Amino acid sequence: DAKTTQPPSMDCAEGRAANLPCNHSTISGNEYVYWYRQIHSQGPQYIIHGLKNNETNEMASLIITEDRKSSTLILPHATLRDTAVYYCIVRASYEKLTFGTGTRLTIIP
Amino acid sequence: DGGITQSPKYLFRKEGQNVTLSCEQNLNHDAMYWYRQDPGQGLRLIYYSQIVNDFQKGDIAEGYSVSREKKESFPLTVTSAQKNPTAFYLCASSVESGRVTGELFFGEGSRLTVL
Repeated sequence: DAKTTQPPSMDCAEGRAANLPCNHSTISGNEYVYWYRQIHSQGPQYIIHGLKNNETNEMASLIITEDRKSSTLILPHATLRDTAVYYCIVRASYEKLTFGTGTRLTIIP
Repeated sequence: DGGITQSPKYLFRKEGQNVTLSCEQNLNHDAMYWYRQDPGQGLRLIYYSQIVNDFQKGDIAEGYSVSREKKESFPLTVTSAQKNPTAFYLCASSVESGRVTGELFFGEGSRLTVL
């Protein structure tokens, strides 16, 4: 029973902002939204997480809607090295992380 | 350099043989995890350990065994009872049991092929 829904694939031009959507309409009040990415044949890498407020770090920004039913990961200036599978995960603090199939993002030169 | 080291990176074994994958971390993390990934699929949790000498089954533990005798080490044995062992295996660790941040640090993975 998937907690999140992501598009299977997306393209983005190099240098533009990449906006990756995630639907989590059944999210509970104590569940966080996490984003990870996995470059081909490597281990996943943590990007960012949030509960209610928008978050920003050196890698990306996370925008969570007011009703918390969806979120968007923003890579502000995509580079070719951002080509990867991006996983959106919803998780309460006592739960283990469950990875779905994610969104395959391709950055186009 | 702090991190997680998995070995070997590539491993070939004959059907019916047990094989042990190594995972070592020098991050002083309490919790460690093993995931399995099949082509085009997400990660599935095999086993996890929140503290030394304790571990719990994940979603697909059948055919696998683990030990946690030291904080730094969490080896995974793929036994002959595992029906489809060919996969990409990923080890991870976190500061606590994922209780607060959910930030996992992953190794580079071990790709096991059973011939």
